[in-house]
Formats: sequence, C-alpha cells, structure tokens
Amino acid sequence: SQTIHQWPATLVQPVGSPLSLECTVEGTSNPNLYWYRQAAGRGLQLLFYSVGIGQISSEVPQNLSASRPQDRQFILSSKKLLLSDSGFYLCAWSGLGSLNEKLFFGSGTQLSVL
Amino acid sequence: GESVGLHLPTLSVQEGDNSIINCAYSNSASDYFIWYKQESGKGPQFIIDIRSNMDKRQGQRVTVLLNKTVKHLSLQIAATQPGDSAVYFCAETRGRGGGADGLTFGKGTHLIIQP
Repeated sequence: SQTIHQWPATLVQPVGSPLSLECTVEGTSNPNLYWYRQAAGRGLQLLFYSVGIGQISSEVPQNLSASRPQDRQFILSSKKLLLSDSGFYLCAWSGLGSLNEKLFFGSGTQLSVL
Repeated sequence: GESVGLHLPTLSVQEGDNSIINCAYSNSASDYFIWYKQESGKGPQFIIDIRSNMDKRQGQRVTVLLNKTVKHLSLQIAATQPGDSAVYFCAETRGRGGGADGLTFGKGTHLIIQP
C-alpha cells in the first residue's frame, strides 16, 4: 500500500533562517506531488505541484521554493523565512491520469516563525 | 475568481443525530468533488468523492449529494459519533483538465458532536 511521510512534525524557526521540509512517498511510482499551506482555521492553499522529477509548478509568488530531486521525494525550501510563512504545511500525492485527482495527505508540519 | 465555499463555519449536533454539511462551488467546469475530514493537527483524510455525472453517492455512514443546477454539494453523516468531530472540507478539481494540478479547497466546517 502507498504511504506518505512528512517531517518534521513541528518546527520553530527564527525570522531570516532557512527552511527545508521533506516529503517522501512509498508504494507508488511517478506520483503527482503537492505542497499545500493551511493558515490557522483556514482552508488549504496550493503552493507547488510536480508531475515528475525536476518539474515544479508554482501557484503563489512567495519566498518559498520546491524541488523534486527523486521520483518520490518532494522538498519545500526557503532561504530566509518571514513571519508570514508560519502555518501548517501539508504534502500530498495523487496518481497519474485525469481519473486520479484524489489527493492523499501527509501528517503535516506545523511551522512557527518567530 | 472561482472558488469553493461553505455556508456555515461551525455545526453542532447531538450524538446519534444526522449531520448535513453544505458546500457551494462556482466553477461550472469542475467535474470531480471530494470531501475530506481533518482532525486537529493532522492532515486531511479522504471521506468520499463524486463525479459530475452522478448526483448521489453513498459510503459507510456518509452520503454525498451533488446538485449541479445550483452548484451545491453536501455531505450527510448518519448517526454521528464523537469521532466525527473534525473540520470537513469540500474540494473540487481546479478545472484545468488532467487532474495533475490539484484541488481547490473550501474554508471548512467545524463539526462539533454534543454528548
């Protein structure tokens, strides 16, 4: 069965520090991968998605970036965090094809920028 | 812009009663809809989905209804239990085709189960 791992679960970082959140998927090949952000009490905002290695689509201009160095690995990064980067970050995957839009989410990373 | 939204941010029901959570969407091109359940501090979990060629789909204790005429989606939970307490999100395809570019989520409804 497919599983998705996301770490760390919580992270407290000072303003201006770098960020690296990692997500890996097991049990499937060539998944579509996603990073979403959720502000407290709010819905989910799509940040990045990737349909293959090295292919990244950005949805929201910001100081975050994403990379997909391996088929089942998706990384969210920042060179310098802002206070507004605080939030709950969720990685997700879906299968290939137009009939596979269902997303499966990781357990999330709660990021607090102080 | 096009969006998915919810009518009520909080819904409180008695344990054992049925719950109905509503969602309005505005993207007439959407052809796939999902309901997710999110417990505090966790990622959203898939509950049930429905395609636009259907108007009703049933799962275990849950039913999703789709009314394309008024662009309305609802989730019915039968005989609610304490474990049903969570935030429920509706989501739709982003309308660009292919499905790879993810889902658009509503703001969520917090379902509270009263003992």
